[in-house]
Amino acid sequence: DGGITQSPKYLFRKEGQNVTLSCEQNLNHDAMYWYRQDPGQGLRLIYYSQIVNDFQKGDIAEGYSVSREKKESFPLTVTSAQKNPTAFYLCASSIDRDSAGYTFGSGTRLTVV
Amino acid sequence: GESVGLHLPTLSVQEGDNSIINCAYSNSASDYFIWYKQESGKGPQFIIDIRSNMDKRQGQRVTVLLNKTVKHLSLQIAATQPGDSAVYFCAETPFDGSARQLTFGSGTQLTVLP
Repeated sequence: DGGITQSPKYLFRKEGQNVTLSCEQNLNHDAMYWYRQDPGQGLRLIYYSQIVNDFQKGDIAEGYSVSREKKESFPLTVTSAQKNPTAFYLCASSIDRDSAGYTFGSGTRLTVV
Repeated sequence: GESVGLHLPTLSVQEGDNSIINCAYSNSASDYFIWYKQESGKGPQFIIDIRSNMDKRQGQRVTVLLNKTVKHLSLQIAATQPGDSAVYFCAETPFDGSARQLTFGSGTQLTVLP
């Protein structure tokens, strides 16, 4: 089955630690996205990538970094510079940059301990 | 980007009744709108979409209405079932010539009462 896989489902981070969230898709989609969701709120765009080896900052990129070395993979690193990282992180993909038909992963819940 | 907002944060309906979830958008350049359903602890799932050249689109038990004059979008769910309990988000996107990015509303929690 084609889909988008996020791992881990739950992640705990200590203060000052960098952590990386995985996002893999086998849909052959060009575009991939990372969103952050806080309780009772909508999704906010962190980073997006329209094509391999290219990515752009979204609305709340500070404290995050990404890479897009392979079409299938778009990992998100939450750095120690992100002061309030506890949230639900969602990865999505779409066929290309002109498509708004997003497919979402099942999310990673990150908690700072 | 401009925000997309919802009129009500929560909605409770009796099983079998129809549900109407509303959404206001502010970006007049938006030409594509999508409704998503999100169950607890899961990613959003596509329900139905509509382009700005339409004012109504029907799916299975769901209908989306678009009123561009007042920048209003609604999702109607017929014969609401317990499995419909979830948070519903509307999302809008303009095409700015480089890429489509979705702007999401804050969501409405739909609870179906037995």
